[in-house]
Amino acid sequence: SQQGEEDPQALSIQEGENATMNCSYKTSINNLQWYRQNSGRGLVHLILIRSNEREKHSGRLRVTLDTSKKSSSLLITASRAADTASYFCATPISGGSNYKLTFGKGTLLTVNP
Amino acid sequence: SQTIHQWPATLVQPVGSPLSLECTVEGTSNPNLYWYRQAAGRGLQLLFYSVGIGQISSEVPQNLSASRPQDRQFILSSKKLLLSDSGFYLCAWSVDGREFFGPGTRLTVL
Repeated sequence: SQQGEEDPQALSIQEGENATMNCSYKTSINNLQWYRQNSGRGLVHLILIRSNEREKHSGRLRVTLDTSKKSSSLLITASRAADTASYFCATPISGGSNYKLTFGKGTLLTVNP
Repeated sequence: SQTIHQWPATLVQPVGSPLSLECTVEGTSNPNLYWYRQAAGRGLQLLFYSVGIGQISSEVPQNLSASRPQDRQFILSSKKLLLSDSGFYLCAWSVDGREFFGPGTRLTVL
């Protein structure tokens, strides 16, 4: 069953604006990850935040994690047309050697030039 | 550095025909390997994963199968394709819990 759900399903903004996407999950996790997928391509890992972290930055990306609310957010600052893509959150199903991730349905971000 | 290859990039097959998609990984040993399917506008559905040669776990019942004949080779197969097998197939490997994806294969079954 699906663990993470992104919100909104689609987001359209102008270049230079900030984009915020949210992810909610159901069960306890030890980490949460965000991925990006350009149309017709494979997914690219963006950032991993562990359950004992509340915020993490990577370039123009800022991820927060609230384990009490079982939610995470991905903020892209000063967006560019090249940021247009689908963004997915992913959470682990189980640990150890049988490591698996479940992915949400994604948020389609369109950045208009 | 590690790289992952998938081929072919696109494939159009008639219903009832066989399927073989190949995925190979370079620059790592004994990786966890995964096959996903992504329907249009949807998230990823995990089909199979493998933690070692000859070790395959199936996540959903279907007419697809997977094999891992070598450490860094993962093959997705079908004996007879269905219309519902159409989709975007992604291979991935993982390290430290993060997954790294291949470029994908767009399969259209007619």
